[in-house]
Amino acid sequence: NAGVTQTPKFQVLKTGQSMTLQCAQDMNHNSMYWYRQDPGMGLRLIYYSASEGTTDKGEVPNGYNVSRLNKREFSLRLESAAPSQTSVYFCAVHLTWTEAFFGQGTRLTVV
Amino acid sequence: GESVGLHLPTLSVQEGDNSIINCAYSNSASDYFIWYKQESGKGPQFIIDIRSNMDKRQGQRVTVLLNKTVKHLSLQIAATQPGDSAVYLCAALTRDSNYQLIWGAGTKLIIKP
Repeated sequence: NAGVTQTPKFQVLKTGQSMTLQCAQDMNHNSMYWYRQDPGMGLRLIYYSASEGTTDKGEVPNGYNVSRLNKREFSLRLESAAPSQTSVYFCAVHLTWTEAFFGQGTRLTVV
Repeated sequence: GESVGLHLPTLSVQEGDNSIINCAYSNSASDYFIWYKQESGKGPQFIIDIRSNMDKRQGQRVTVLLNKTVKHLSLQIAATQPGDSAVYLCAALTRDSNYQLIWGAGTKLIIKP
């Protein structure tokens, strides 16, 4: 489907391992976001990129880094995974301030 | 800062009835309020938004009501169908949060046949 593609869909990491979550969009929009979703809590913003070449911290950036490789791709890296980073991660393209188009998510478990 | 919360974690509704999902917010300076639908195993999907200077906005089979006096937001779904089964998320947008969305935890809507 057109829109936002995230890889992988599922991942299990050991504490201390690193990994990169990939996100690609074919919507030709500038704004791309990374959120995490934990049970019983609302989505929380990790990092966002308003345009190619720029990135900014969100509410919960600690333990993460991002790269806006080009207009299409926005990756999220965990350098040293911790159990507290077990979550579902969503990449989204913000069409407007309020309307976002989300990917299917990456379910990450850190053991 | 803003906080957003839904009144009930789960709501069960008979198929064909109307559903009303409620949300409360704390910051009266919020500019927009938004509803998303999240089906199992999928990302959230935008439903409708309402600007803070409005009281009501209608979409296709949905109506959002905003009561600024009691800081309350509701999403009404008419003639609920099995495909409406999902978690419904409310969110607020405010300049205080640098125009980032502040999200509630969600209400799971269960449709009874």
